[in-house]
Amino acid sequence: QSVLTQPPSASGTPGQRVTISCSGSSSNIGSNTVNWYQQLPGTAPKLLVYNNNQRPSGVPDRFSGSKSGTSASLAISGLQSEDEADYYCAAWDDSLRNWVFGGGTKLTVL
Amino acid sequence: EVQLVESGGGLVQPGGSLRLSCAGSGFTLSNYWMTWVRQAPGKGLEWVANIKEDGRETYYVDSVKGRFTISRDNAKNSLYLQMNSLRAEDTAVYYCTRDNPFGGYWGQGTLVTVSS
Repeated sequence: QSVLTQPPSASGTPGQRVTISCSGSSSNIGSNTVNWYQQLPGTAPKLLVYNNNQRPSGVPDRFSGSKSGTSASLAISGLQSEDEADYYCAAWDDSLRNWVFGGGTKLTVL
Repeated sequence: EVQLVESGGGLVQPGGSLRLSCAGSGFTLSNYWMTWVRQAPGKGLEWVANIKEDGRETYYVDSVKGRFTISRDNAKNSLYLQMNSLRAEDTAVYYCTRDNPFGGYWGQGTLVTVSS
């Protein structure tokens, strides 16, 4: 059971906008920033969004993050087939003194 | 170009030990927190441990406390994970990451299999 809660799956058609949620608590998302990672099949994860809504250089602006209270969201607009991957949220937990991850969301592009 | 290359994984019996290494290039290791993250087969990501730039602060997930030790040699631009008293549930691909931000760069991972 992961500390952060994500839906196990999400789907959309090419060109659509999809959002993936990440729910936590006051000790993690409620008091710290959230990162999002993309893991393409058979590869290492890659940082997609950090500090709630910042994108590393090279990440398309189709990907955007937001946070409100103890929840965060990743939005992907203009969905493309190459976006089919697993997506994970993460935040530092002040009580555990750990980084904690969500269980991951498998995105399928129909 | 930032590169992280893990090594040292393999098959080990329960109760055994392994030492993982992560060689960094294209950046100065001493400027960054570094982390180990693992992923059991078919499962999600789990943060294992991290270490401050100068090595003076370390943090561990509860399940590995007292068994794993994270360390670094900034002169060699390298990160390590000493894993003792290994259990079947430690079986996973282990990734090292360069932080600031957390998980800014990832290596390709090294597979650790704990089995008799």
